[in-house]
Amino acid sequence: EAGVTQFPSHSVIEKGQTVTLRCDPISGHDNLYWYRRVMGKEIKFLLHFVKESKQDESGMPNNRFLAERTGGTYSTLKVQPAELEDSGVYFCASSPTGSPANVLTFGAGSRLTVL
Amino acid sequence: GNSVTQMEGPVTLSEEAFLTINCTYTATGYPSLFWYVQYPGEGLQLLLKATKADDKGSNKGFEATYRKETTSFHLEKGSVQVSDSAVYFCALSHSGTYKYIFGTGTRLKVLA
Repeated sequence: EAGVTQFPSHSVIEKGQTVTLRCDPISGHDNLYWYRRVMGKEIKFLLHFVKESKQDESGMPNNRFLAERTGGTYSTLKVQPAELEDSGVYFCASSPTGSPANVLTFGAGSRLTVL
Repeated sequence: GNSVTQMEGPVTLSEEAFLTINCTYTATGYPSLFWYVQYPGEGLQLLLKATKADDKGSNKGFEATYRKETTSFHLEKGSVQVSDSAVYFCALSHSGTYKYIFGTGTRLKVLA
């Protein structure tokens, strides 16, 4: 079974530019999550999709961040315009409905560096 | 609110040394507790978990016991290997929610 795939693995952009991160969850997983780790800090929840619907987006930092999951398959996270403080590693995770003990499967992360 | 506190790293050990990475939590109710590990260039992988008080999670020689009285979930391994070098994250979540609360991560470096 293929795992959670994220790309790009690393993106370096200038402040004010736009970046789009993509996540392909495990096939058949209805639940998709985005998390972010800012350098040296804890990994923080951003949002949760159930299929194509946003179940919880309480962790999204501001309106410069837009997440979509059209068709309930892959998801994109767009940052526009990017700011210095957006630098960090963005993790995607997925789980099937009814996952025991809330276990998530994470991707390798997309590292974003804003200069 | 809910929070997880981990010991700061990096932790540097010689091969075959004993490992302890401390983790304490603050939470309402009875959360599930997890240790995730991130090896270089890879994603976060579930290492072990415990869902109720006094449960012991174990995997690959690592163990952690859910201690409600001390609100702790310390990670231990009796004899570390170079291949255990990674970043370890302690986390909690409440049943029915997938919103994990993570600690800041502890980098472990094991020297041959």
